[in-house]
Amino acid sequence: AQTVTQSQPEMSVQEAETVTLSCTYDTSESDYYLFWYKQPPSRQMILVIRQEAYKQQNATENRFSVNFQKAAKSFSLKISDSQLGDAAMYFCAYRSGGTASKLTFGTGTRLQVTL
Amino acid sequence: DAGVTQSPTHLIKTRGQQVTLRCSPKSGHDTVSWYQQALGQGPQFIFQYYEEEERQRGNFPDRFSGHQFPNYSSELNVNALLLGDSALYLCASSLFNNMGGYTFGSGTRLTVV
Repeated sequence: AQTVTQSQPEMSVQEAETVTLSCTYDTSESDYYLFWYKQPPSRQMILVIRQEAYKQQNATENRFSVNFQKAAKSFSLKISDSQLGDAAMYFCAYRSGGTASKLTFGTGTRLQVTL
Repeated sequence: DAGVTQSPTHLIKTRGQQVTLRCSPKSGHDTVSWYQQALGQGPQFIFQYYEEEERQRGNFPDRFSGHQFPNYSSELNVNALLLGDSALYLCASSLFNNMGGYTFGSGTRLTVV
């Protein structure tokens, strides 16, 4: 079974600074996808960024980028120019290749953004 | 374009009762998955429905059951509620043959007293 580990229960960053959230995963599969989801107090899970395992290039979405180290099974999220609206719970998630596979989530990292 | 809609938003039930939660998927999506998120935890997969059939199931007892209707909407039923069933229940929709991510609703907060 696949597992996802987020070892940072809480992180804090000053507005406009950069922060990196860590995630490691365990799998024996070669075809999979990795995600970072944001969950604000509104409770809805919002997709931040997605990485296909077969792609060597790290995914980037505006201020959000990942460092995908396949051999080390590491998938960290970097948030640049942090904004107050970035404050939320962030979950790393794994999904196997194939049709409509389930998501396996980590335990989350609570990000605080301070002035 | 409507996203995923869940109802009700909050619910309080007594131990031993039964509850039904509802989910309407994002327009164009044909697959619905349900997740349970306990306080301070990541979501745990309950089951997934496609073509009105349960396609995958997580490690949840038979007290948890579901249904998908021809219009792709779905229900999650929980029988014989336990205090430990108190959680946020999230519905996520997707396209069965799409390798993309899922669109989540805002969840139903279930409290069992």
